[in-house]
Amino acid sequence: GQQVMQIPQYQHVQEGEDFTTYCNSSTTLSNIQWYKQRPGGHPVFLIQLVKSGEVKKQKRLTFQFGEAKKNSSLHITATQTTDVGTYFCAGRVYNFNKFYFGSGTKLNVKP
Amino acid sequence: DGGITQSPKYLFRKEGQNVTLSCEQNLNHDAMYWYRQDPGQGLRLIYYSQIVNDFQKGDIAEGYSVSREKKESFPLTVTSAQKNPTAFYLCASSRMGDSNQPQHFGDGTRLSIL
Repeated sequence: GQQVMQIPQYQHVQEGEDFTTYCNSSTTLSNIQWYKQRPGGHPVFLIQLVKSGEVKKQKRLTFQFGEAKKNSSLHITATQTTDVGTYFCAGRVYNFNKFYFGSGTKLNVKP
Repeated sequence: DGGITQSPKYLFRKEGQNVTLSCEQNLNHDAMYWYRQDPGQGLRLIYYSQIVNDFQKGDIAEGYSVSREKKESFPLTVTSAQKNPTAFYLCASSRMGDSNQPQHFGDGTRLSIL
């Protein structure tokens, strides 16, 4: 079945270091969304990518959508303790009104 | 404030018992979703509904049932047929018509077996 794979599962970084999480789909996606879930909280929408090769930035966060629309990445520059949480990608397949979530990458930032 | 309300926050189920999780939204969203989240894992889709009186099975619908009698409400029943119900359940909603709408999540319900 349709799957969205996400790596790594965990990432521990020192504050100030960079962080990247990757998502790969077995099928071409119509769009991909990224969410952040703080410990004990619920997922909160960060951004959506729709176009092939699209790159979007939110302050220290950079989101990319691959040319083939099968992979995506989230890169955080100079992490801060406020970045702690689990980051999920969610890909939508054409003609389906549901999203397939990756397993998430749990980020821990040491001060 | 507009949002999604899930209740209860914590729920305990006895063997052989059905329990119902509530999800209400006042965002005027057409689509609603139920996800299950197990520790260290992503969200798996249980059921979703795009319009009142209609819903579709997600990837792990067995042992669960839903109804969508009102646009604002999408309750999930965890039946006794669900042998491993302990998990964090998240309800979400989104607009329809434009497929690029983000999902808004409730605070979740933690279900445990007694």
